Amino acid sequence: DQQVKQNSPSLSVQEGRISILNCDYTNSMFDYFLWYKKYPAEGPTFLISISSIKDKNEDGRFTVFLNKSAKHLSLHIVPSQPGDSAVYFCAASGQAGTALIFGKGTTLSVSS
Amino acid sequence: GAVVSQHPSRVICKSGTSVKIECRSLDFQATTMFWYRQFPKQSLMLMATSNEGSKATYEQGVEKDKFLINHASLTLSTLTVTSAHPEDSSFYICSARAGRNTGELFFGEGSRLTVL
Repeated sequence: DQQVKQNSPSLSVQEGRISILNCDYTNSMFDYFLWYKKYPAEGPTFLISISSIKDKNEDGRFTVFLNKSAKHLSLHIVPSQPGDSAVYFCAASGQAGTALIFGKGTTLSVSS
Repeated sequence: GAVVSQHPSRVICKSGTSVKIECRSLDFQATTMFWYRQFPKQSLMLMATSNEGSKATYEQGVEKDKFLINHASLTLSTLTVTSAHPEDSSFYICSARAGRNTGELFFGEGSRLTVL
């Protein structure tokens, strides 16, 4: 049973527009959520995180929104740039010190 | 920021041989490191949790005799794929958490294993 779901395997956006990547989770014990960006043949790079006590966290062009009641989070990238083209993984964590559970990823393509 | 280094980045070996992958935390001590495996176009799957000074905790379905994990120091964990077979070919990634109370994990660059 997949605890972290990214239902859209791919997303195409034009440069300058907003990219919205979605993630759903099933485990109500998750209390920390993260987004990672990954290029082929490289390890994931941390982007932004959010604790379950917040509903929004912003860092530059990246904003993560958390809706606990819906068990849903989203990553907004605005404005999108061609260099943002990569696979984006949503991940969740329970207690501190435990491993992350990853979604299957969404491939974002930003065209110029 | 915290850096995790993984070596080698690419390795090709013959079927039946063993391969060791190292994971080092360069500027922090990591009592716990995690090993993930990624198949093409799939998610990162947790294989095991590596605990310094004790035995690793393996996820269900991961053969502990095949994927030997050693966490000899606070900055080094190793994954040894024993008697490798072509189906073990994958992208192996290690990660470590820099602080106790943060959920963020820092990842190594990954190691691409190809078994011929």
